[in-house]
Amino acid sequence: EVQLVETGGGLVQPGRSLKLSCVASGFTFSSYWMYWIRQAPGKGLEWVSSINTDGGSTYYPDSVKGRFTISRDNAENTVYLQMNSLRSEDTATYYCANGYNFFDYWGQGVMVTVSS
Amino acid sequence: DIVMTQSPSSLAVSAGETVTINCKSSQSLLSSGNQKNYLAWYQQKPGQSPKLLIYLASTRESGVPDRFIGSGSGTDFTLTISSVQAEDLADYYCQQHYSYPLTFGSGTKLEIK
Repeated sequence: EVQLVETGGGLVQPGRSLKLSCVASGFTFSSYWMYWIRQAPGKGLEWVSSINTDGGSTYYPDSVKGRFTISRDNAENTVYLQMNSLRSEDTATYYCANGYNFFDYWGQGVMVTVSS
Repeated sequence: DIVMTQSPSSLAVSAGETVTINCKSSQSLLSSGNQKNYLAWYQQKPGQSPKLLIYLASTRESGVPDRFIGSGSGTDFTLTISSVQAEDLADYYCQQHYSYPLTFGSGTKLEIK
């Protein structure tokens, strides 16, 4: 059974940093691209970042480019999202997912609240 | 960026009816190389994570009931849910997986009368 478990969320002040983790199991992690997608409270879905199988290629929308960094550790079956210079508009539930530029399996999500 | 426009934003139907949700992309999602359309559909039930229903416009994910049907090509796509059941109460999103940045439609809320 595929499982994706996100951790690391919480309340953070604007301008500060936070690092999310997602531990994967139930599939060959090193063979899959991994993704982060977020959903602001009561709003729709927004893709946040992608990373290829060996971590050599990463992608971001303009809304987070230069502030967020995705990385992975294939030995630990874990994908990370380092979020710097956080803004109030980054407040959302953050999901990790695997797939092929569509999102096959999703984690349960972790809440990030950016507020003073 | 490819803009995805979904309609309607919400609808309410009775159990047993057929529902149609539309999704229009600002650019074609049809690959000239393999003639495949790069469009996915997701279902998000209240309080849950999204679930993949369909990818490549019409390929149903394993385990998804066959009453969920994806169709369309180019810039116009449809998710049809036949014989809607109470458990289909959810938000539905389309997403283009043709090019970066990956983008979603704004969602359709399905309510059951």
